[in-house]
Amino acid sequence: AQSVTQLGSHVSVSEGALVLLRCNYSSSVPPYLFWYVQYPNQGLQLLLKYTSAATLVKGINGFEAEFKKSETSFHLTKPSAHMSDAAEYFCAAFGNEKLTFGTGTRLTIIP
Amino acid sequence: EPEVTQTPSHQVTQMGQEVILRCVPISNHLYFYWYRQILGQKVEFLVSFYNNEISEKSEIFDDQFSVERPDGSNFTLKIRSTKLEDSAMYFCASSLTGQGRAEAFFGQGTRLTVV
Repeated sequence: AQSVTQLGSHVSVSEGALVLLRCNYSSSVPPYLFWYVQYPNQGLQLLLKYTSAATLVKGINGFEAEFKKSETSFHLTKPSAHMSDAAEYFCAAFGNEKLTFGTGTRLTIIP
Repeated sequence: EPEVTQTPSHQVTQMGQEVILRCVPISNHLYFYWYRQILGQKVEFLVSFYNNEISEKSEIFDDQFSVERPDGSNFTLKIRSTKLEDSAMYFCASSLTGQGRAEAFFGQGTRLTVV
């Protein structure tokens, strides 16, 4: 069965600092991987997706993620954090007709 | 921009009552999903629906749950006899294809509170 692991349920970074949110997936061929963001009291918004094209994927709001098959990872990064980035971030993998989500990482931005 | 809409945004119901959560997927999408998120926990898959039948369901989706696409536009989730542990945010999603290449668009969710 597909599984997704997000290391760190809470991450705090200073405004302007690098954001790194970690995601590892169980091997599945081919994996379709996604990052979703959830702002307080809102639904899930797609940040970016990997669908076996380029390994470095650029998304909205300056986020990007790199697919590394050797590490089964799909970490999310942003060079410079902004206060508006404070939210819950979910990594997800698609397989067997469904998305399997990680447990989520709550990102806090320190002014 | 097309979007998935869900109604109501919040529903409170008594334990044992039936509830129907409603969703209007994006009009040209062919695959429909329900997910739920219990407060503070991860988003869990419930069911996927394609070509007027369930294509995949999780072990959460037991006989108390059913889905229907009654009129070609709405997609509903019915919980026959609600339990306290059904309290959660329920998300509807739709996608053009089911192969993962297409983005799944999520609605804003319905917060179900069972008292």
